[in-house]
Amino acid sequence: GENVEQHPSTLSVQEGDSAVIKCTYSDSASNYFPWYKQELGKRPQLIIDIRSNVGEKKDQRIAVTLNKTAKHFSLHITETQPEDSAVYFCAASGRGTSYGKLTFGQGTILTVHP
Amino acid sequence: DTGVSQDPRHKITKRGQNVTFRCDPISEHNRLYWYRQTLGQGPEFLTYFQNEAQLEKSRLLSDRFSAERPKGSFSTLEIQRTEQGDSAMYLCASSFEGLADTQYFGPGTRLTVL
Repeated sequence: GENVEQHPSTLSVQEGDSAVIKCTYSDSASNYFPWYKQELGKRPQLIIDIRSNVGEKKDQRIAVTLNKTAKHFSLHITETQPEDSAVYFCAASGRGTSYGKLTFGQGTILTVHP
Repeated sequence: DTGVSQDPRHKITKRGQNVTFRCDPISEHNRLYWYRQTLGQGPEFLTYFQNEAQLEKSRLLSDRFSAERPKGSFSTLEIQRTEQGDSAMYLCASSFEGLADTQYFGPGTRLTVL
C-alpha cells in the first residue's frame, strides 16, 4: 500500500519568513495530493491540493509543488503569520482500489513567532 | 452549519463497554469515510461507504468495530468491548463520488477508554 513520509516534524519560523514542508510517497499510481491544516482540538481543514497532471498550484500565500518523477511534493507558505501556527498534514490518494482513500503523513508542527 | 457533523464530541467510557458514534456528512455527498487519529499522528483510514454500501475496510478495523450507513445519509461507528488502545480521535469525512479524494472532515469524536 501507499506510504507517505513527511518532514520536518517540527518547524519554527519568524513572522514574515517562508516555511516549506516536504512529503514523499511510495505508490507511483497516486495522483492526488492534498494538504490539511489542523489547529489544536479542531478538524483537519483542506487548504490546498494538487493533481498529478499539474506541477504547481498557488492560492494567495500558499503553494504546492509536485515532482512525479521523484515522488515528492511540498507545501510552501510565504509571509508567514502567527495564525499559520498549526499542524500540517500531507496526504496521497490513487486510482483503482485506493481511489478516495487518503494516506497521511505524520504531520509537521509549524510555529510562527511574532 | 452545512459541514460534516459528528456526535458526541467527547466520550469517556470504561474498558469493556460498547460505544457508538454518529456522523452526518455534507448533504449532497455520497461518499463517507471514517479515520482514526492518535496523538501526534496523521489520520489513519478505517473504512468508507459509497451511498449505503461499505466498499473497503482497513485491517485496523478489528471485528470489534462495525460501521453502518443504512440509508446512505448518516453513518454510525460502533466499538464493542472497548480497550484502552481504542482511545483516539475518530474522524469522519465526506466527498462527492466524482471527486472522491477531495474530502471534508468533521470535528471528530474523542474517545477515552479508562
